[in-house]
Amino acid sequence: GAGVSQSPSNKVTEKGKDVELRCDPISGHTALYWYRQSLGQGLEFLIYFQGNSAPDKSGLPSDRFSAERTGGSVSTLTIQRTQQEDSAVYLCASSLDSGRGEQFFGPGTRLTVL
Amino acid sequence: GQSLEQPSEVTAVEGAIVQINCTYQTSGFYGLSWYQQHDGGAPTFLSYNGLDGLEETGRFSSFLSRSDSYGYLLLQELQMKDSASYFCAVSNSGYALNFGKGTSLLVTP
Repeated sequence: GAGVSQSPSNKVTEKGKDVELRCDPISGHTALYWYRQSLGQGLEFLIYFQGNSAPDKSGLPSDRFSAERTGGSVSTLTIQRTQQEDSAVYLCASSLDSGRGEQFFGPGTRLTVL
Repeated sequence: GQSLEQPSEVTAVEGAIVQINCTYQTSGFYGLSWYQQHDGGAPTFLSYNGLDGLEETGRFSSFLSRSDSYGYLLLQELQMKDSASYFCAVSNSGYALNFGKGTSLLVTP
């Protein structure tokens, strides 16, 4: 079956511009996560959605970052007024539920802010 | 706060066994997971330990000691394709994962 998909795969933008990153989770997965990974680093948790519950936004680094999930499926991560330190790979993951640590990751969006 | 420590690099010979250790400090703990990531690829799930002991999945095994805040990933019969980064990750809330910085494993002929 289809895995997690993300678009675009690469995004180059200028400092100060807004960007939107999209994630299509695996069908039927109720939990959706956003992480980011800087070069040579581990993954940093950003935000978590579970069903219709309020998202856990505790990992968002600033109020320039926001995310929504429509209809319990597709999610969009928006970064406003991008800064160079926002450059990273943004990874989306989904899971059937929130237990056991088994999350399925998409290929990521590589964001470069010039 | 919370932190995970794992070696930054490990080198091993094809066919050998290698162990990647992970120690953690966290305010809450649900389980320890391991993920593999090849260069330019997405992380893929390897194993999960919610209770103390050893979990075995083919050539890979993972161990957890909650009292020692310690776990390890054991890779047996190493193959060249096992060259990748390996991340331990702690679930301290039941969902979001906190990842270590990863261990780069190089398998040599």
